[in-house]
Amino acid sequence: DTEVTQTPKHLVMGMTNKKSLKCEQHMGHRAMYWYKQKAKKPPELMFVYSYEKLSINESVPSRFSPECPNSSLLNLHLHALQPEDSALYLCASSHPINGQPQHFGDGTRLSIL
Amino acid sequence: QQPVQSPQAVILREGEDAVINCSSSKALYSVHWYRQKHGEAPVFLMILLKGGEQKGHDKISASFNEKKQQSSLYLTASQLSYSGTYFCGTDKLGANNLFFGTGTRLTVIP
Repeated sequence: DTEVTQTPKHLVMGMTNKKSLKCEQHMGHRAMYWYKQKAKKPPELMFVYSYEKLSINESVPSRFSPECPNSSLLNLHLHALQPEDSALYLCASSHPINGQPQHFGDGTRLSIL
Repeated sequence: QQPVQSPQAVILREGEDAVINCSSSKALYSVHWYRQKHGEAPVFLMILLKGGEQKGHDKISASFNEKKQQSSLYLTASQLSYSGTYFCGTDKLGANNLFFGTGTRLTVIP
């Protein structure tokens, strides 16, 4: 069991749907991250939140909209996704300073029809 | 910005040793190492912060040459449980963004 919990584990949606991915941690970490991972590829950083503020957006399309309602929760709102957005979406958390290990959730496997 | 790892894949028999290399074209503050088993989350192994630092964790250790912007992960007396894909991750001072390397798929067979 990981200390970072992601829901749902699997999600299938059409290109016109709106859905959200959820991530929760109770380790007191004040930095949270969203990554996208395609099969047999490394995780790619999408967003970084530090102290509940968006600090890094790695040029992610606007159809992905992150939200950090409090220090334990991180959401990723999805709208009008494309088939190429099908991937494993990983959430991670850490203390918000350099050189701290990141703790990953098991991910949400997203399929776009 | 993505670090390059070598080899891409390696097959070992139980008890054999392996070295995985990670090389970056950018100046590094720290190097992280993670292992990801198929269908699972990446699991943190270790972080190296200083040039030339070596850290160890059971039979897995790593070194970091800050000048050469390189890190190596050493696995000794490999066990079946070592199988998985190993990723290095690098960040820069003052930036909390981790960039993962290209990955090395390690398979340990009996």
